[in-house]
Amino acid sequence: NAGVTQTPKFQVLKTGQSMTLQCAQDMNHNSMYWYRQDPGMGLRLIYYSASEGTTDKGEVPNGYNVSRLNKREFSLRLESAAPSQTSVYFCASSVLIQNTGTGQPQHFGDGTRLSIL
Amino acid sequence: TQLLEQSPQFLSIQEGENLTVYCNSSSVFSSLQWYRQEPGEGPVLLVTVVTGGEVKKLKRLTFQFGDARKDSSLHITAAQPGDTGLYLCAGGNYGQNFVFGPGTRLSVLP
Repeated sequence: NAGVTQTPKFQVLKTGQSMTLQCAQDMNHNSMYWYRQDPGMGLRLIYYSASEGTTDKGEVPNGYNVSRLNKREFSLRLESAAPSQTSVYFCASSVLIQNTGTGQPQHFGDGTRLSIL
Repeated sequence: TQLLEQSPQFLSIQEGENLTVYCNSSSVFSSLQWYRQEPGEGPVLLVTVVTGGEVKKLKRLTFQFGDARKDSSLHITAAQPGDTGLYLCAGGNYGQNFVFGPGTRLSVLP
């Protein structure tokens, strides 16, 4: 039972390079999320996908794009990496975003540690 | 914009001590969750509270949701080194994304 799988686990990029972070979940969840975690700032939502075929901006979307490839997969792309994007990136999934108020859990992957030089 | 604050930011205690960490907001939430995150891993859900005044216990951990549903506390009795980690609270409302607090980093020394 893998849950949420993120690849790669570590990556070092040079300023201006591009890359795609991959995320896949095997729990048949409808909603998926991308967060970044920086020291002292908690988890900040970058983009989310309420259901297959839809994506929406979160709190800090600038410099990122996403693709909901199918129900299982949700990728995050950095088109031109900047040092300010150095962070730990987490993908998460939940049954349905509309149920957030009922306290349904989000399931997280183990993160991608990204350094931009 | 809904915000969650957590205090203290850092806490270092000896094994066997008791502690309480807090999660506060000026906004009302329909639900509030506590997650624990260990180094190199993603957050893992500990508990969800949905009713104002609700108290939930998970072994040595006691969670309380404030009557006004704007705040929550986590109390750990007789802390153990295995309790070390980053404790995150997250507030949720219907049809909206979760809002996460910045976390309390707990270190329990043997």
